[in-house]
Amino acid sequence: QSALTQPASVSGSPGQSITISCTGTSSDVGGYNYVSWYQQHPGKAPKLMIYDVSNRPSGVSNRFSGSKSGNTASLTISGLQAEDEADYYCSSYTSSSAFPYVFGTGTKVTVL
Amino acid sequence: QVQLQESGPGLVKPSQTLSLTCTVSGGSISSGGYYWSWIRQHPGKGLEWIGYIYYSGSTYYNPSLKSRVTISVDTSKNQFSLKLSSVTAADTAVYYCARGRGPSSIYWGQGTLVTVSS
Repeated sequence: QSALTQPASVSGSPGQSITISCTGTSSDVGGYNYVSWYQQHPGKAPKLMIYDVSNRPSGVSNRFSGSKSGNTASLTISGLQAEDEADYYCSSYTSSSAFPYVFGTGTKVTVL
Repeated sequence: QVQLQESGPGLVKPSQTLSLTCTVSGGSISSGGYYWSWIRQHPGKGLEWIGYIYYSGSTYYNPSLKSRVTISVDTSKNQFSLKLSSVTAADTAVYYCARGRGPSSIYWGQGTLVTVSS
């Protein structure tokens, strides 16, 4: 089961916008609108930020938005804040494995 | 508010079986439409699916662990459990339980570190 590909790190200054990519194939990201994004602070459990490509759970800031184009999903954080510094993981449904879900490799977001 | 809490030994000897339980509160494990999963994270690494179970007992396991994993559910106790056999140091990780729908899990346990060492 191959992990989805994310950049190892992304950085930005407070107030800026950053985008994290999550690249898969037509058997996962590109083929289904079942992409989720998680935020994980050190020592904490992951927190769901986006589900079904672009939907935010209740309570998640509207500074977080999700989208998809082809085989690549993206998470955009607008108005970057110090508290956004964390690891971010994408996850997708996949039809190319005996197990139906796969995580991305993870991206460390640094607020400069 | 649904809450999940992992419990079990924090230290397991090599070749033995790792056993963890996840206790669910604030909601019934028999609620339809959700699955109950185990996910682990090796120190400093990314997230890895272990597997999941529906309240009916249907299970799905990560092929890379399938030969060693058993996930079960006890609806009377509102708990589900993980057993991972023949552990090695490579199984040292933080183990999370979660409630999911599709690839989305909004409710997670706090995680429990399991170290495999003699």
